Amino acid sequence: EVQLVESGGGLVQPGGSLRLSCAASGLTFSSYWMYWVRQPPGKGLVWVSRINSDGSSTSNADSVKGRFTISRDNTKNTLYLQMNSLRAEDTAVYYCASGLSPWGTDYWGQGTLVTVSS
Amino acid sequence: SYVLTQPPSVSVAPGQTAIITCGGNNIGSKSVHWYQQKPGQAPVVVVYDDTDRPSGIPERFSGSNSGNTATLTVSRVEAGDEADYYCQVWDSDSDHVVFGGGTKLTVL
Repeated sequence: EVQLVESGGGLVQPGGSLRLSCAASGLTFSSYWMYWVRQPPGKGLVWVSRINSDGSSTSNADSVKGRFTISRDNTKNTLYLQMNSLRAEDTAVYYCASGLSPWGTDYWGQGTLVTVSS
Repeated sequence: SYVLTQPPSVSVAPGQTAIITCGGNNIGSKSVHWYQQKPGQAPVVVVYDDTDRPSGIPERFSGSNSGNTATLTVSRVEAGDEADYYCQVWDSDSDHVVFGGGTKLTVL
């Protein structure tokens, strides 16, 4: 059974930093593209970032470019999202998701809540 | 940037057919994924690559994609199908993943 488990969410002040992790099991992690998608309270899904299977290529949404960094450790089957210069509008549930291609996902984690507030 | 447009809501009676559209410029040239999200839960893929269904997804869920519109069809709708549905594509020009705004399916 594939499991993606996010952690690292919480309350942070504007301008602060947070690092999210996503531990993967039940799949050959190094074969999968990985994604971060967020969902602000009561709103729709918004793509944040994507990394290819070996970590050599990344892509980010314009809203987080220069502030968020996606990375992965294939030896630990773990995906990361380093979030800096956080803003109130970054408040959301953050999901990690996997996919065998750059154009869509298959498995999703249950999400971790990030709240940016003073 | 590439934009996907979905109707905010669709309502159908049980046993009827729900049709959820996803509009985008020449979307027929892209591969469309559809997700179902129930309250408090993570999204689940119900259709991928325009027309394929993951294992475990009922045959009542089907997809099509042509021209400027992709469509998710839910046949013989059940109360358990009530959820938000999102379409998604990859825009190769920008290398960005794009989601539609979502459609709330209400079963009357």
